[in-house]
Amino acid sequence: NAGVTQTPKFHILKIGQSMTLQCTQDMNHNYMYWYRQDPGMGLKLIYYSVGAGITDKGEVPNGYNVSRSTTEDFPLRLELAAPSQTSVYFCASSRTGRIDEQFFGPGTRLTVL
Amino acid sequence: AQKITQTQPGMFVQEKEAVTLDCTYDTSDQSYGLFWYKQPSSGEMIFLIYQGSYDEQNATEGRYSLNFQKARKSANLVISASQLGDSAMYFCAMREGRAGGFKTIFGAGTRLFVKA
Repeated sequence: NAGVTQTPKFHILKIGQSMTLQCTQDMNHNYMYWYRQDPGMGLKLIYYSVGAGITDKGEVPNGYNVSRSTTEDFPLRLELAAPSQTSVYFCASSRTGRIDEQFFGPGTRLTVL
Repeated sequence: AQKITQTQPGMFVQEKEAVTLDCTYDTSDQSYGLFWYKQPSSGEMIFLIYQGSYDEQNATEGRYSLNFQKARKSANLVISASQLGDSAMYFCAMREGRAGGFKTIFGAGTRLFVKA
């Protein structure tokens, strides 16, 4: 099992550009999450999904979009990138919605210049 | 509304001693889970321990234990016999059940420094 994989590991984006951060899990987990972690801070939930075709907003969804067409994949789309979106992005998955630990990917370090 | 508070930005502990990292939470949901994660300087998030809101006994995992005081809404992490490798950021997190939409929120974290 690879667990949760994220690509790319690093990326520099210009202001106004768009990109998609990829996240894939091979544990057949229903629940998937996207977080961002700003320097020296905790994680903030951007979007999450409770199953294929079902997504919902977290604490900080503005400027992002997600889709969940399969159980395995949960891509995060950044439209019109802004410097405020410079952050480390973590994807995570869990088997259930409440009691199970979340398995995290290695993160994507994104810089918007 | 959900809220997680970690009031200790940084903590120092002598190697082989025990240390307690504080976490308080706020929720109106009766069903929730509390988690602790470790983030070393390499950046990955490592799950340490879980406590369910209906669990009557405090959770333990090796050198980690969770001091769960439901009435006080606190879920402190206790690390016994600290090791140099325990130096890292530690995050407390809470996930509400169906009523809360299964959202997870994290505290701001506590940076632990273990001294030799």
